[in-house]
Amino acid sequence: AQSVTQLDSQVPVFEEAPVELRCNYSSSVSVYLFWYVQYPNQGLQLLLKYLSGSTLVKGINGFEAEFNKSQTSFHLRKPSVHISDTAEYFCAVSLGSGGSNYKLTFGKGTLLTVNP
Amino acid sequence: NAGVTQTPKFQVLKTGQSMTLQCAQDMNHNSMYWYRQDPGMGLRLIYYSASEGTTDKGEVPDGYNVSRLKKQNFLLGLESAAPSQTSVYFCASSYSGRGAYEQYFGPGTRLTVT
Repeated sequence: AQSVTQLDSQVPVFEEAPVELRCNYSSSVSVYLFWYVQYPNQGLQLLLKYLSGSTLVKGINGFEAEFNKSQTSFHLRKPSVHISDTAEYFCAVSLGSGGSNYKLTFGKGTLLTVNP
Repeated sequence: NAGVTQTPKFQVLKTGQSMTLQCAQDMNHNSMYWYRQDPGMGLRLIYYSASEGTTDKGEVPDGYNVSRLKKQNFLLGLESAAPSQTSVYFCASSYSGRGAYEQYFGPGTRLTVT
């Protein structure tokens, strides 16, 4: 079974600073990786996903993530954050081939707070 | 295109009462899911349905039941509510099969059991 660890439960940053939200996964087979964002009192929406190919994935709102197979990581980055990026961010994994590859396992989330 | 909708948005129950949370999607997705979200726990899968008429248990199914009689609807039932079921419940849907398809989430139902 796969698992996801988000290494920081909270990340406070100042506006226009860069940010990295860390995610590590564990799986014995190939995986697909996702980052979702949840704004206050809303559902989740997809930021970006890694399926195959280029290990650097670009998403919405200027976010990007890099898949590192040797380190089993999928860290999310943004070079300059805005107040509006304040939200909770979830890393998720699903199996890469066969089986129940449509089920997602989520990390516990990282609350990003952008201060003025 | 409404996407994934959930009713109700808020609900307060007394211990022992029963209720059904409703979820509908208009994207013709095969798969649907119910999650609960608790502080510091992320999202945990309660039940999922790979196709109309089929359901399977997820990580935390105890105390819940589900029904997928129509492709567009997925119902989550609480037979006898307990305070431990106080949570925010999210429904999601996706395509399924070979490949990875993102899940689309509803706005959530905030349930309080007193």
